[in-house]
Amino acid sequence: EVQLLESGGGLAQPGGSLRLSCAASGFTFSRYAMSWVRQAPGKGLEWVSHSSMTGTDTYYIDSVKGRFTISRDNSKNTLYLQMKSLRADDTAVYYCAIGVPVASPAYFQHWGQGTLVTVSS
Amino acid sequence: EVVLTQSPGTLSLSPGERAALSCRASQTISGTSLAWYQQTPGQAPRLLIYGTSKRATGIPDRFSGSGSGTDFTLTIIGLEPEDFVVYYCQHYGSSPRRYTFGQGTKLEIK
Repeated sequence: EVQLLESGGGLAQPGGSLRLSCAASGFTFSRYAMSWVRQAPGKGLEWVSHSSMTGTDTYYIDSVKGRFTISRDNSKNTLYLQMKSLRADDTAVYYCAIGVPVASPAYFQHWGQGTLVTVSS
Repeated sequence: EVVLTQSPGTLSLSPGERAALSCRASQTISGTSLAWYQQTPGQAPRLLIYGTSKRATGIPDRFSGSGSGTDFTLTIIGLEPEDFVVYYCQHYGSSPRRYTFGQGTKLEIK
């Protein structure tokens, strides 16, 4: 069974940092691209960042470029999102998701349950 | 950059009825890049439809997707009580790689 378990969320001050983790199991993690998608309270879904299966190709939504870094450790089956210079509008539930199909990921087949990040003083 | 506009924002129907949810793209997009998700409150989204019309694994056949160009539709026939949640369409763009969601349609019981 595919499982994605996010952790690392919590309360951070504006300008602060957090590191999210997504532990994957039940599939061959190294064969799939992965993304982070967020959802602000009461709002819709917003894609944040993508990592290719090897981690060499990464992409970001404009609002987080230069502040967030996506990475992965395929030996640990774990995806990360390092978040710096946090702002109030980064407050959201952050989901990790598997991108499919493998050749050119176009949608998200499986999602974790999310971890809440709250940015507030 | 493609913008997806979903309508209506809220759709009020009764169990057993047919729902048609619209997703309009700001420019012509490939049908292979359009997906639909269902989200129950407090839960993660669930993939329903990909490639405009292909049902994901385990999705009942009362859900169907259609469309081309800029206009896409998620149709649900014979609404069940558990179908009254929020639905999102999503587009994938490759140059640069970017994933865009519509703002969502809430399906509520009339």
